[in-house]
Amino acid sequence: SAVISQKPSRDICQRGTSLTIQCQVDSQVTMMFWYRQQPGQSLTLIATANQGSEATYESGFVIDKFPISRPNLTFSTLTVSNMSPEDSSIYLCSWGGPIGNEQFFGPGTRLTVL
Amino acid sequence: DQQVKQNSPSLSVQEGRISILNCDYTNSMFDYFLWYKKYPAEGPTFLISISSIKDKNEDGRFTVFLNKSAKHLSLHIVPSQPGDSAVYFCAASALDKIIFGKGTRLHILP
Repeated sequence: SAVISQKPSRDICQRGTSLTIQCQVDSQVTMMFWYRQQPGQSLTLIATANQGSEATYESGFVIDKFPISRPNLTFSTLTVSNMSPEDSSIYLCSWGGPIGNEQFFGPGTRLTVL
Repeated sequence: DQQVKQNSPSLSVQEGRISILNCDYTNSMFDYFLWYKKYPAEGPTFLISISSIKDKNEDGRFTVFLNKSAKHLSLHIVPSQPGDSAVYFCAASALDKIIFGKGTRLHILP
């Protein structure tokens, strides 16, 4: 199956700044997703990254806070905007689906906001 | 409201014995259940799944049991090996939604 990588692997950021996380798959995949895992919590789906169109966001997540790009079938970015300490989480991208079926996850980006 | 619950944050099992990880769910509309395994600093990896129309699925050392009347599923690992030490996530899906539990950390003791 396609190998998925993310960068950065971790970052420490100041409140009010933004961070863009990159996700790269080594072959073309139809569906890519972004998840968040807050400390002590479960993985929560943020959005489905659609190639060539706007991302589809889950309840509780909005484009202004988490803008997503998907310029082609191998790459996606997630930006965490105007960060606060509550955004400290592990952010993971995945491919697979449709959602509900087996997902292949990247290694995650551990974000700490001070 | 947690729709998928893993009530044991951690579990310790002797090497060679059976590990049983449990998961409860509340939504009877879930039609597919999955288990993922996660090592530190890595993303979750898919382990095994089961459709709601089945009550058992087996893959090598891993077996998942589904009890729909109790809204309960369990993952059995036998025999347990040191490399099984990881966090295990239960997930359930319906239509286009997937809900994960908080995970259970499994320690395999030598």
